[in-house]
Amino acid sequence: EPEVTQTPSHQVTQMGQEVILRCVPISNHLYFYWYRQILGQKVEFLVSFYNNEISEKSEIFDDQFSVERPDGSNFTLKIRSTKLEDSAMYFCASSNRGSSYNSPLHFGNGTRLTVT
Amino acid sequence: DQQVKQNSPSLSVQEGRISILNCDYTNSMFDYFLWYKKYPAEGPTFLISISSIKDKNEDGRFTVFLNKSAKHLSLHIVPSQPGDSAVYFCAASGDSGTYKYIFGTGTRLKVLA
Repeated sequence: EPEVTQTPSHQVTQMGQEVILRCVPISNHLYFYWYRQILGQKVEFLVSFYNNEISEKSEIFDDQFSVERPDGSNFTLKIRSTKLEDSAMYFCASSNRGSSYNSPLHFGNGTRLTVT
Repeated sequence: DQQVKQNSPSLSVQEGRISILNCDYTNSMFDYFLWYKKYPAEGPTFLISISSIKDKNEDGRFTVFLNKSAKHLSLHIVPSQPGDSAVYFCAASGDSGTYKYIFGTGTRLKVLA
């Protein structure tokens, strides 16, 4: 069964540094997402991406965050200058809403970001 | 603004019995509802979904019920197995003009052998 893959599984960085989290969505999917989960809390929406542009973003997704689909397979989340409160699990997800409006999200296993 | 709520943070059930996980939502525009299961250090795994034109959807041991008038959905697992022990999230989508899925806070299910 096709999977969403994320790298790295764990990233440790110092406050103020830039990080790039990488994702390879399922190949025939058209909609791409980033979510995050701070330890023990709910899974929070960050951004959705369709047709090579952001379709929606949350208030968390400020100017320090950006997303890119640099080629036909990768989907990246960049945090320009990390803060301690950015420490969380970051999940990439994709869906194929092009074939059906009601289409579930498929998640990767996440990248645990630790900002020290 | 918590549009999707799971009011029980945890639930313990004996193996073989029924597990019932509940979820409430506030946004009447939602028309597609999903349940996900999450193990530690893994991403959420899609379990089952239901569209608002139905009130029940069944897949093996998992059944989701939707009560639109009460803005309530539930997930029934029968019979419960120890491998079902995980955190379960409900999610909703369909608010006009948006593609995002809103998740609840999760319920930790523990199935006791």
